[in-house]
Amino acid sequence: DTEVTQTPKHLVMGMTNKKSLKCEQHMGHRAMYWYKQKAKKPPELMFVYSYEKLSINESVPSRFSPECPNSSLLNLHLHALQPEDSALYLCASTLRTSGGSYNEQFFGPGTRLTVL
Amino acid sequence: GQNIDQPTEMTATEGAIVQINCTYQTSGFNGLFWYQQHAGEAPTFLSYNVLDGLEEKGRFSSFLSRSKGYSYLLLKELQMKDSASYLCALMDSNYQLIWGAGTKLIIKP
Repeated sequence: DTEVTQTPKHLVMGMTNKKSLKCEQHMGHRAMYWYKQKAKKPPELMFVYSYEKLSINESVPSRFSPECPNSSLLNLHLHALQPEDSALYLCASTLRTSGGSYNEQFFGPGTRLTVL
Repeated sequence: GQNIDQPTEMTATEGAIVQINCTYQTSGFNGLFWYQQHAGEAPTFLSYNVLDGLEEKGRFSSFLSRSKGYSYLLLKELQMKDSASYLCALMDSNYQLIWGAGTKLIIKP
């Protein structure tokens, strides 16, 4: 199994809704990432989990809440989002957070989020 | 700080060769990645360079010069499916990826 899966593929939510994005990998990777990507822009790092512990939070608003229940799963809980939060949310994983040629990040297909 | 520059858009002809350049300035360096991203899809890994020189992988090659802060991605025998954005990303001293803005490559018949 050499892929990262994400659900749902598309999500439309109102500003008062609570929803969650899910990411899963079974490659034995111990680092997992959430990125946000706006159209025609590169991915922006949001969170990094290393060995199931949050290691980086790039000053993301508290309306985004990450969770790593185990080494294979990564969730992103959404609450009281704004229309400007509409974007493609990408999950990625890598073997570990140290360097080397095994540190390529494998990306999931993303969740296209629209906030109304 | 870190800074990565790559052209915004390039156009090439099917069957030809194209070189996409990436220049960078960084205080910490642990390698340089190239990713391909088709519109609406996730980035996919193409290549990784950490030492100076050329890495060849089929129709794609990537070159790195650390002293010049310069890399390029070379695509040969271009196919229509190569139309995509190509993202240069450097791995910083914290082993995180710093992304360039991407180069949109348009392939014409």
